[in-house]
Amino acid sequence: AQSVAQPEDQVNVAEGNPLTVKCTYSVSGNPYLFWYVQYPNRGLQFLLKYITGDNLVKGSYGFEAEFNKSQTSFHLKKPSALVSDSALYFCAVRDKNAGNMLTFGGGTRLMVKP
Amino acid sequence: NAGVTQTPKFRILKIGQSMTLQCTQDMNHNYMYWYRQDPGMGLKLIYYSVGAGITDKGEVPNGYNVSRSTTEDFPLRLELAAPSQTSVYFCASRLTSESYEQYFGPGTRLTVT
Repeated sequence: AQSVAQPEDQVNVAEGNPLTVKCTYSVSGNPYLFWYVQYPNRGLQFLLKYITGDNLVKGSYGFEAEFNKSQTSFHLKKPSALVSDSALYFCAVRDKNAGNMLTFGGGTRLMVKP
Repeated sequence: NAGVTQTPKFRILKIGQSMTLQCTQDMNHNYMYWYRQDPGMGLKLIYYSVGAGITDKGEVPNGYNVSRSTTEDFPLRLELAAPSQTSVYFCASRLTSESYEQYFGPGTRLTVT
């Protein structure tokens, strides 16, 4: 069975500093990996995906994520955090061997302080 | 396009009551999903549909029912509400099984007391 772990419930960072939100995964085949963001009282919004190719993928709002197959990780990064980046971030994995279903991590709350 | 819309936004139910959460998408997507989001637990898949007339159970289907009579609509039915069903419910859709992005509705916050 596929699974996703986000080891940090909350990440605190000062505005202007780089940020990293961690994600590790477990699948039986080749993973499709995703990051979604959720702002208060809103549904999830797609940020970026890794399907194949370059291990560093770029997404919306200046976010990027690095796929590391040996460490089974897909950490979300941004070089310079904004207060408006404060939100709940979800990592998700889709395994084609598991019917293309998305499995979500528990979420990490990002707090960017001025 | 309105995308994925959900009604109501909030609802309080008494134990044993029933209700239907509505979900509509105007993107002509084949695949539709219902998730529940509990604090710190991420999203759990309740039911999904790969097209009109076809539905299947997800990870946590007990206590819920769905139907998919049209491409646009995918209502979720709670027959006998229980406190354990207090949660935020999200509907989502995507075009095909190979489409990468899922589009989410704004959610319905349900409290059962």
